[in-house]
Amino acid sequence: AQTVTQSQPEMSVQEAETVTLSCTYDTSESDYYLFWYKQPPSRQMILVIRQEAYKQQNATENRFSVNFQKAAKSFSLKISDSQLGDAAMYFCAYRSRHGSQGNLIFGKGTKLSVKP
Amino acid sequence: DGGITQSPKYLFRKEGQNVTLSCEQNLNHDAMYWYRQDPGQGLRLIYYSQIVNDFQKGDIAEGYSVSREKKESFPLTVTSAQKNPTAFYLCASSTYSGNTIYFGEGSWLTVV
Repeated sequence: AQTVTQSQPEMSVQEAETVTLSCTYDTSESDYYLFWYKQPPSRQMILVIRQEAYKQQNATENRFSVNFQKAAKSFSLKISDSQLGDAAMYFCAYRSRHGSQGNLIFGKGTKLSVKP
Repeated sequence: DGGITQSPKYLFRKEGQNVTLSCEQNLNHDAMYWYRQDPGQGLRLIYYSQIVNDFQKGDIAEGYSVSREKKESFPLTVTSAQKNPTAFYLCASSTYSGNTIYFGEGSWLTVV
């Protein structure tokens, strides 16, 4: 069974600085998706960024980028130029590309605080 | 607007009662999911359905039931057998093997 581990329960960053959130996962599959979701106090789950395992290039979405290390099974999220609105819970998630195993498997989350 | 609608947003249940949480999507997605979130925890899968009239148990299905009579609807019933139902519940949907799962805004269930 696949597992996702986020080893940092809480992180803090100064506004305008850069922060990196860690995620590791365990799987025997070679083809899958990885995601970072943001959950603000409203509890809405917002997709931040996704990575397809067959793509070697790291995904980037504006201030958000990932460092995907497939061999190490590592998928960290880098937030550049942090803003107050980035404060939230961040969840790393795994999804198999096999349709019968299509649900997301989540880590326990990292609470990010942004200091003005 | 396309999306996933969950209702009600807040629900209170007396002990021994069954309650049903609604989830409707107009994204034409084949797959739908129910997750539970407890404080300090990630999301845990309760049930999922890949096609109409078929569904599978997730990691914590005990005390819950679902139906999938229509593609756009996937209601979750929290039965009296669920001993600790107070939690935040999230419904989600996706294409069968698509690269994104979309979430509704969630429902809070509290036992009083």
